[in-house]
Amino acid sequence: EADIYQTPRYLVIGTGKKITLECSQTMGHDKMYWYQQDPGMELHLIHYSYGVNSTEKGDLSSESTVSRIRTEHFPLTLESARPSHTSQYLCASSEGGSGPPSEKLFFGSGTQLSVL
Amino acid sequence: EDKVVQSPLSLVVHEGDTVTLNCSYEVTNFRSLLWYKQEKKAPTFLFMLTSSGIEKKSGRLSSILDKKELFSILNITATQTGDSAVYLCAVALPFYNQGGKLIFGQGTELSVKP
Repeated sequence: EADIYQTPRYLVIGTGKKITLECSQTMGHDKMYWYQQDPGMELHLIHYSYGVNSTEKGDLSSESTVSRIRTEHFPLTLESARPSHTSQYLCASSEGGSGPPSEKLFFGSGTQLSVL
Repeated sequence: EDKVVQSPLSLVVHEGDTVTLNCSYEVTNFRSLLWYKQEKKAPTFLFMLTSSGIEKKSGRLSSILDKKELFSILNITATQTGDSAVYLCAVALPFYNQGGKLIFGQGTELSVKP
């Protein structure tokens, strides 16, 4: 069973608020990812990290930012939330060490964000 | 533009039926194709396919890849209500020039009625 945790599961906030979505994994994986998923739509990669102090933007433009100060922790921050940010955010991790990432991703249970 | 297309988008069957889910892809470079099962929120890994014509099997689920025609199928035999989920297909791009990213399809929502 995957040991990757996301909090909160659900979040309803007002426009303009700063929020941080938490993601932690206990598997020691170097590779971590954030995906965004709207109902009935594809998962889109918004950020990824291949190790501590390494972060990259994904294919879908996002106003969010991420940090990777510790291997196990990969938080995502929105400085000023807007209704267009309403979506589900899924965190994932994979093995790979210093080499290519494994395609087998372990996903968290997601955070459903609603911005009013 | 790299893309993955799944069909059908939704499917309703009765317990005991056999279903076939389809996944076609167009990518500039291919590393592997993956199937995930998404129940509630968290997708879980089912299969990874890299070679054409070699069936991967796990219990009542099986999958095969055709790299010439650029598609894969996922078969579920003797379906059960616990198979109800969204099934996601993804193609992994090579690490050397595209970072090993996954391109996901929209998913097929399967509903199995008692």
